[in-house]
Amino acid sequence: ETGVTQTPRHLVMGMTNKKSLKCEQHLGHNAMYWYKQSAKKPLELMFVYSLEERVENNSVPSRFSPECPNSSHLFLHLHTLQPEDSALYLCASSRGRMGSSTDTQYFGPGTRLTVL
Amino acid sequence: AQKITQTQPGMFVQEKEAVTLDCTYDTSDPSYGLFWYKQPSSGEMIFLIYQGSYDQQNATEGRYSLNFQKARKSANLVISASQLGDSAMYFCAMREFARNRDDKIIFGKGTRLHILP
Repeated sequence: ETGVTQTPRHLVMGMTNKKSLKCEQHLGHNAMYWYKQSAKKPLELMFVYSLEERVENNSVPSRFSPECPNSSHLFLHLHTLQPEDSALYLCASSRGRMGSSTDTQYFGPGTRLTVL
Repeated sequence: AQKITQTQPGMFVQEKEAVTLDCTYDTSDPSYGLFWYKQPSSGEMIFLIYQGSYDQQNATEGRYSLNFQKARKSANLVISASQLGDSAMYFCAMREFARNRDDKIIFGKGTRLHILP
């Protein structure tokens, strides 16, 4: 069961470009997450939205701007990125605080981002 | 201090053998959950198995079982009868409930498992 889709799957952009990553979940979940996965690093939580309200921002640079218009959609707007921002960006969703203790996060396939 | 520690960066195992992937965790929260995820080369994170801190029995899901030793704060994943398709990155993760208002799951650095034919 995935139920979480991400587009695009691959993205190459220059440092002056503006692009957006999209995530959509079809699971009726209330919380959505953005993670960054760089080579040889653990998953880094970037943003958490619960019931469309941002509840976590782990000091992510302002060149990353999240948007959660409703509980099914999550965007990550990118502008003036750096080469070190090249990574796999994963979206996840969960029932959030409405869920049970066994609630897990379900991940999308990720967007492989390369910044030139 | 790391919350989740996976000490094996990589492992090579012969097909059909059993595999144990190590995971230790650190928390003072009495209520928590432990997860294992699999990430194939395609990039998608696939949920495998869950163990709650108050669960009396070790979790099992098909060929996956979790060897939960609460006093040692260890939650090793055991894969029985390994298959070539098990080759992937495996992540151990933890969710703390008492102080975790944002449902954050903390991940370890992962173990890359290679199954040899």
